[in-house]
Amino acid sequence: DGGITQSPKYLFRKEGQNVTLSCEQNLNHDAMYWYRQDPGQGLRLIYYSQIVNDFQKGDIAEGYSVSREKKESFPLTVTSAQKNPTAFYLCATRPSATDTQYFGPGTRLTVL
Amino acid sequence: GQQVMQIPQYQHVQEGEDFTTYCNSSTTLSNIQWYKQRPGGHPVFLIQLVKSGEVKKQKRLTFQFGEAKKNSSLHITATQTTDVGTYFCASNSGGYQKVTFGIGTKLQVIP
Repeated sequence: DGGITQSPKYLFRKEGQNVTLSCEQNLNHDAMYWYRQDPGQGLRLIYYSQIVNDFQKGDIAEGYSVSREKKESFPLTVTSAQKNPTAFYLCATRPSATDTQYFGPGTRLTVL
Repeated sequence: GQQVMQIPQYQHVQEGEDFTTYCNSSTTLSNIQWYKQRPGGHPVFLIQLVKSGEVKKQKRLTFQFGEAKKNSSLHITATQTTDVGTYFCASNSGGYQKVTFGIGTKLQVIP
């Protein structure tokens, strides 16, 4: 887990503003994932990427966008179209499709 | 898509009591993974089960994968306050690329 960095830990934004969450990894893992966690809820998949310059929508992609220009980086943009963006956002990596996931420390986003 | 149902959602136990959480699926699972998330923290991988009927132990934790590969359980013997947290099961889906998580079982241990 020490090889996955998410910054910042806490983020506050005004309603209507786009915000980008950072996820960087030095584990040389191919796959990267973004999840959203709400209080008392499980993890819901937003987007995932298996290789550079390729990514797929998860179960709740509406209002979010991602890019994968480098293997090490998978930033998530929460757009103003996301109706309820306040949540805990977790980035994860995976060496291959059959391996386990490793999670970053997460970013708590609060939209005021 | 594939769903993994997890029960119970919450469990309070006295320290020293046992605890079990269950995961069930209507479809055959390729594997099952278990994660623990401490309060305020992020999920940490515990174990992965792949084979039908597989049983693995980690100290006081026992993990089982059903014969039909449609259910799994995590059992903690003699809980301690350090066991507090939310336990998630998860499984590969969508051609192995996606991982579907259960809703989690939040365990509270009363000293």
